[in-house]
Amino acid sequence: DVKVTQSSRYLVKRTGEKVFLECVQDMDHENMFWYRQDPGLGLRLIYFSYDVKMKEKGDIPEGYSVSREKKERFSLILESASTNQTSMYLCASRRTTGGVGYTFGSGTRLTVV
Amino acid sequence: GENVEQHPSTLSVQEGDSAVIKCTYSDSASNYFPWYKQELGKRPQLIIDIRSNVGEKKDQRIAVTLNKTAKHFSLHITETQPEDSAVYFCAASMGNTPLVFGKGTRLSVIA
Repeated sequence: DVKVTQSSRYLVKRTGEKVFLECVQDMDHENMFWYRQDPGLGLRLIYFSYDVKMKEKGDIPEGYSVSREKKERFSLILESASTNQTSMYLCASRRTTGGVGYTFGSGTRLTVV
Repeated sequence: GENVEQHPSTLSVQEGDSAVIKCTYSDSASNYFPWYKQELGKRPQLIIDIRSNVGEKKDQRIAVTLNKTAKHFSLHITETQPEDSAVYFCAASMGNTPLVFGKGTRLSVIA
């Protein structure tokens, strides 16, 4: 069973802090993704990575960066957290062949105060 | 880029009735259309998907139909049960591009 694990389920951070959200998958998937989920807005793509050391901007990359040093780990970084980044963050992975669905992590609910 | 519209945003049905959720997409090159179910407090889970070379796919009480000409696809749930209550997301992609999601439909099945 594919597992995508996000390190924190709930996180509270202060405005201006640097925040790291970690995601690890155990099925050797090449592709990994970070989305944020907000009520009424659905899932919006922040960043994605097709393989190690690769990263691509999604639809809403401003204020975020990512790191993919190892195939199984994809980190989302909030350089200077702001209250408008309070959200549910979902990590997902899939194998590289097109036309397959994602496996999602359980999500990290981040609150910035 | 791709844009996916999903309707309705909320849907209430009586237990045993059918539920239909519709999505339209903008990019005619999109060829993969999955549906995800997200129960309260849980991760989205893939429940069914369809590729552009197929018009309909069924799995027990759920089915998905695709109309490539009109660029829309629909999720059909028959004989709904309380455990079908969740938020449902449609999505579309072309090849290896990231999925683009609709905004979601909150389905409530009333016992």
